[in-house]
Amino acid sequence: EAGVVQSPRYKIIEKKQPVAFWCNPISGHNTLYWYRQNLGQGPELLIRYENEEAVDDSQLPKDRFSAERLKGVDSTLKIQPAELGDSAVYLCASSFSSQGGDTQYFGPGTRLTVL
Amino acid sequence: GENVEQHPSTLSVQEGDSAVIKCTYSDSASNYFPWYKQELGKGPQLIIDIRSNVGEKKDQRIAVTLNKTAKHFSLHITETQPEDSAVYFCAAKDETYKYIFGTGTRLKVLA
Repeated sequence: EAGVVQSPRYKIIEKKQPVAFWCNPISGHNTLYWYRQNLGQGPELLIRYENEEAVDDSQLPKDRFSAERLKGVDSTLKIQPAELGDSAVYLCASSFSSQGGDTQYFGPGTRLTVL
Repeated sequence: GENVEQHPSTLSVQEGDSAVIKCTYSDSASNYFPWYKQELGKGPQLIIDIRSNVGEKKDQRIAVTLNKTAKHFSLHITETQPEDSAVYFCAAKDETYKYIFGTGTRLKVLA
């Protein structure tokens, strides 16, 4: 079974440019998470989807970040415009359900460098 | 909200020795505590987890203990091997279903 797929794996852009990340969760997983991981830190949640609905976006910087999950499967995270402080690894994860102790599976991440 | 602290930040052990990583959490309503291993250039991978109704869980060389009263949980790796070298993260899942991660422990197993 394929795991969580993310693309691109690496992205280098100049500040003020837009950037988008794509995630394909494990088949059948209803819950999708986007995390940001700064160097030497643990992942921090940006947004959580249950099917198509964003049920927790309290930590998403909405002035520049946006996300969508059309049809409750793939998801895209966008930053526009990017700032130097956005350099980080962006991780996507999925699980069958967010309730209980359901296992969360991570993708390999997209490493973003903003120059 | 939930806060998770993890210690130590780095840990070096000789091959064959045991390694222990400790985490504390603040929200007594948290009920699920996974541990992840992250290798360079990869996403975190679940290695073991424990629910709040269990005090200890073991899977071969890896074990996790949970003390709900003290609000801390620990990862124990016995008979460490060089391939155990990685960054380990603990996490707590709070009552809003959000995972809060610790800051990570870089484990080095010296051959």
